[in-house]
Amino acid sequence: QVQLVESGRGVVQPGRSLRLSCATSGFTFSNYAMHWVRQAPGKGLEWVAVIWSDGTKTDYAASVKGRFTISRDNSENTLYLQMNSLRGEDSAVYFCARGDIVATNFFDYWGQGTRVTVSS
Amino acid sequence: EIVLTQSPAILSLSPGERATLSCRASQSVGSYLAWYQQKPGQGPRLLIYDASYRGNDIPARFSGSGSGTDFTLTISSLEPEDFAVYYCQHRSNWWTFGQGTKVEIK
Repeated sequence: QVQLVESGRGVVQPGRSLRLSCATSGFTFSNYAMHWVRQAPGKGLEWVAVIWSDGTKTDYAASVKGRFTISRDNSENTLYLQMNSLRGEDSAVYFCARGDIVATNFFDYWGQGTRVTVSS
Repeated sequence: EIVLTQSPAILSLSPGERATLSCRASQSVGSYLAWYQQKPGQGPRLLIYDASYRGNDIPARFSGSGSGTDFTLTISSLEPEDFAVYYCQHRSNWWTFGQGTKVEIK
């Protein structure tokens, strides 16, 4: 079955960096666009970033553009999110999600999430 | 940028009752709308895509309808496990979500 497992949770100071990983299994990873979506404490869902199946194209929410980098290793079936210059408003649970295979219009599988806290 | 507005914010119902959740888009999104269920401590689960198609293994009591700007998620008879938060979502230039509707036990 499809599994997405995030890791890399932690407490970091403002301005520092953190790298999240999402290990996947149960599907052909290289066929799918992959996303990161976050949820601040007690809040709704916010899309963060997308990377297309071959890794050649990425896109970001305005709130993280220039600070976050999404990447993937199709040989290891793993998705990454490098987060630099972290701010308090980046504190959230970060979910990796698989885009639908046709046009990545929606997210058909999600991980359980990993918590990031940015605090001095 | 398309804004999705969900109503009501909170829906208080009893098991066995019918739940009707609304999602309104600020401009037409055609049929490109999805619905998700999220329980505490869990990632969201896809319920409905393209407005009316159920995701894998989603029970028939969940149904979606609508097109253009007005969409509805209906749970025909609430089971205890259906009490959760529900989000609608659309992709335009980016992927956007509604603010959520919490379905709570009355």
